[in-house]
Parts: sequence; C-alpha cells; structure tokens
Amino acid sequence: AQTVTQSQPEMSVQEAETVTLSCTYDTSENNYYLFWYKQPPSRQMILVIRQEAYKQQNATENRFSVNFQKAAKSFSLKISDSQLGDTAMYFCAFMEYGNKLVFGAGTILRVKS
Amino acid sequence: DARVTQTPRHKVTEMGQEVTMRCQPILGHNTVFWYRQTMMQGLELLAYFRNRAPLDDSGMPKDRFSAEMPDATLATLKIQPSEPRDSAVYFCASALTENTEAFFGQGTRLTVV
Repeated sequence: AQTVTQSQPEMSVQEAETVTLSCTYDTSENNYYLFWYKQPPSRQMILVIRQEAYKQQNATENRFSVNFQKAAKSFSLKISDSQLGDTAMYFCAFMEYGNKLVFGAGTILRVKS
Repeated sequence: DARVTQTPRHKVTEMGQEVTMRCQPILGHNTVFWYRQTMMQGLELLAYFRNRAPLDDSGMPKDRFSAEMPDATLATLKIQPSEPRDSAVYFCASALTENTEAFFGQGTRLTVV
C-alpha cells in the first residue's frame, strides 16, 4: 500500500523568509504523481503544485517550488518570501497512475509578522 | 467558474438519523473521491468512482455508510444510522481523468449529537 509521511507536525517562519516542508512516500511503482495541497482556516483544499514522476525537472509555481528526489522518494515544498496568507495546513499527496489519491498527515505552517 | 459543489455545508443531526451528503463534480470530470477529515485521523479516503463505477470503498464502514453515483452530475454519501463518532468534515473531490489533480469541494461539516 502507498504511504505518505510528513514528519513535521508544525512549523513557523517569519514573514518574507523561506521555509521547506518535508514529505516522503513509499511505492514500488515507477509512474505516479505528487501534489502539495494547502488548507487555510476556511478549510478549502487548494492545489499548490504538482509533479509528474517521469519529469526530472522540479515543478515551480511562483513562490512555491519542489525538490523531487525520486530515488530517495522525497518530495519537499519550498515557500519563498513567505506571506501571512501562506498560514495554513499543507498536505503532501501521492497518486499512482489510474489509482487513488493518498494524503499525508499534514504540516501546520504559521507565518509570523 | 467550474467548481465542485457540496451540500449541505453544515449538518447537525441526532444519533440514529440518516444523513445524506451530496456532491456535484466539475462537469466532464470522470473521477470522484469522498474523504473524511478529523483531527485524529487526518484525511481518510472513504471511496472513489471512475465513470460512475465504484473502484474502491475499502475505507468506508460498510455497515452504515454507502456511496453512489446515480448519474455523472451527482455523487451521494449516506450514513444510516449516524453515530457521534461520524462527526467530521466530509470532502468530495473530482478529477478530469485518472491521471490529473483533484479539485475539492468546500466540505460538509457533520455533527452527530
């Protein structure tokens, strides 16, 4: 069974600084997708970024980027120039081709002014 | 503005009552997921459908929960009879295909007293 592990239950960062959230996963498959979702206090789940396993280039979306290490089964999220609006729960998620979407336990990120 | 629509947003019911939650996936999406979110268990996958056919409902307590897709525009999750331990936020999500990201509804907050 696929598992997703987020080892940091909570993190804090000062406004305008950079923070990295960790995620590891377990699979025997070669083709899959990885995602980071953000859940602010409104509880809406918002897709932040996605990565296809066959792509070696790390995905980026504005201030958000990932460090995808396929051999190590690691998929970390870097948030640059942190803003107060980035305060949220962040979930790492994994999906094998044609299969179900599995989430990690989440990391609460607090951005401080 | 394409979005996943869930109704109701909030539901308070007494133990033993039947609860029905509804989800309208984004038009054209062929995959629908149901998740339950609690503080203790995080985001649990209850069931998912592809082209209206159930693919996996192993995460769902079979004795009281049921999930269906009567047509491509409606997914339902029923609990009968409801119990206090069912209190949680229930999310529906849909994806265009089996290999694309999922978009979430705003969730139904269920409280069973």
